[in-house]
Amino acid sequence: AQSVTQLDSHVSVSEGTPVLLRCNYSSSYSPSLFWYVQHPNKGLQLLLKYTSAATLVKGINGFEAEFKKSETSFHLTKPSAHMSDAAEYFCVVTENRKAAGNKLTFGGGTRVLVKP
Amino acid sequence: NAGVTQTPKFQVLKTGQSMTLQCAQDMNHEYMSWYRQDPGMGLRLIHYSVGAGITDQGEVPNGYNVSRSTTEDFPLRLLSAAPSQTSVYFCASSYGQGRGETQYFGPGTRLLVL
Repeated sequence: AQSVTQLDSHVSVSEGTPVLLRCNYSSSYSPSLFWYVQHPNKGLQLLLKYTSAATLVKGINGFEAEFKKSETSFHLTKPSAHMSDAAEYFCVVTENRKAAGNKLTFGGGTRVLVKP
Repeated sequence: NAGVTQTPKFQVLKTGQSMTLQCAQDMNHEYMSWYRQDPGMGLRLIHYSVGAGITDQGEVPNGYNVSRSTTEDFPLRLLSAAPSQTSVYFCASSYGQGRGETQYFGPGTRLLVL
């Protein structure tokens, strides 16, 4: 079984300051991990993903995440927040075994507010 | 190409009514799935399909039916709508089930059941 916990339901940052969104996962198999972003009344857009290569993953719009197996974490960071980063962010895990299909397990989401 | 499309964008139903949410993709993806999104719960898998003619249940399948007669289309049917099915529904697709396969999401259908 797999699960995802996003440790903060809401994060508030000032424009130009760093953003940290925390994610812990549980998986019985070697997982793949994703971060998706959802802007208000929009669909989900992939920010970045970890499969099995480099543990530091760079994504779009200046975001990056580090896979830490020992801590079962996949935290998302950005050095300098922009007003357009205001959105909801989802950490997602999938087990890489055929019997599991391609099923994604989502965290509860973190809503980011960016203050001018 | 249009990617993943969903219709309608918004729907209001009365309890007991039935309806079909449409999902189509033009990327020749084998894998398609339906999720529902509720506040604070992320997205939860309803049903999925690994190819035409093959479907399976996800985490929350009760009250929903699916079929997959073509690669392109994956409709979701509500047989008798209930207020608990008020939610935002997302369809997703991916090329296959490979390691770290990216899933592409549609824009969503917002459903209100009165």
